Amino acid sequence: QKEVEQNSGPLSVPEGAIASLNCTYSDRGSQSFFWYRQYSGKSPELIMSIYSNGDKEDGRFTAQLNKASQYVSLLIRDSQPSDSATYLCAVNLGSNYQLIWGAGTKLIIKP
Amino acid sequence: DTGVSQDPRHKITKRGQNVTFRCDPISEHNRLYWYRQTLGQGPEFLTYFQNEAQLEKSRLLSDRFSAERPKGSFSTLEIQRTEQGDSAMYLCASSFIAVEQFFGPGTRLTVL
Repeated sequence: QKEVEQNSGPLSVPEGAIASLNCTYSDRGSQSFFWYRQYSGKSPELIMSIYSNGDKEDGRFTAQLNKASQYVSLLIRDSQPSDSATYLCAVNLGSNYQLIWGAGTKLIIKP
Repeated sequence: DTGVSQDPRHKITKRGQNVTFRCDPISEHNRLYWYRQTLGQGPEFLTYFQNEAQLEKSRLLSDRFSAERPKGSFSTLEIQRTEQGDSAMYLCASSFIAVEQFFGPGTRLTVL
């Protein structure tokens, strides 16, 4: 069973601090990794994709991938109340285009 | 680029009725996906099209569910003889060459 695991939270972070979200996956053949943000009652919105080991930065967001340890993380710098949402980790195995999803981590940014 | 659109946004139906949802992908995207999501869970894969061909369908998907994508443009998802367990958000996503998938706003189904 191919799995993606996330801590369900909620993760509470003060405004202006760094929020750190983690995701582990079971299949070593995984090739592509994605972070989606989902506000309550809305659909997932792609915020980061990462394909190779290391860090990838986009504005206040940094995705980190470690294939040897089978984890991917998302850092949000200078957290804002508008970052409060559920963050979903998704993994693609590469053999097809199906994404395997975690259940999401609920992030709360406290003013 | 108008993004992925879905219709209707909300649907309330009685148990046993048939429902049909429509998805219009981003115009140049040749891949289209249907997912189902319930509260507190990640999206659950239902089926996937490349152009008009349905290439994959979840083994967990009941025979009451069927999807089409005529001419490789919009897609429809039909649920026959709805059950209360079908109540969920139905999400459509599309992609082009990259694996990155972009979602529509979803259709929230409530089965009474």
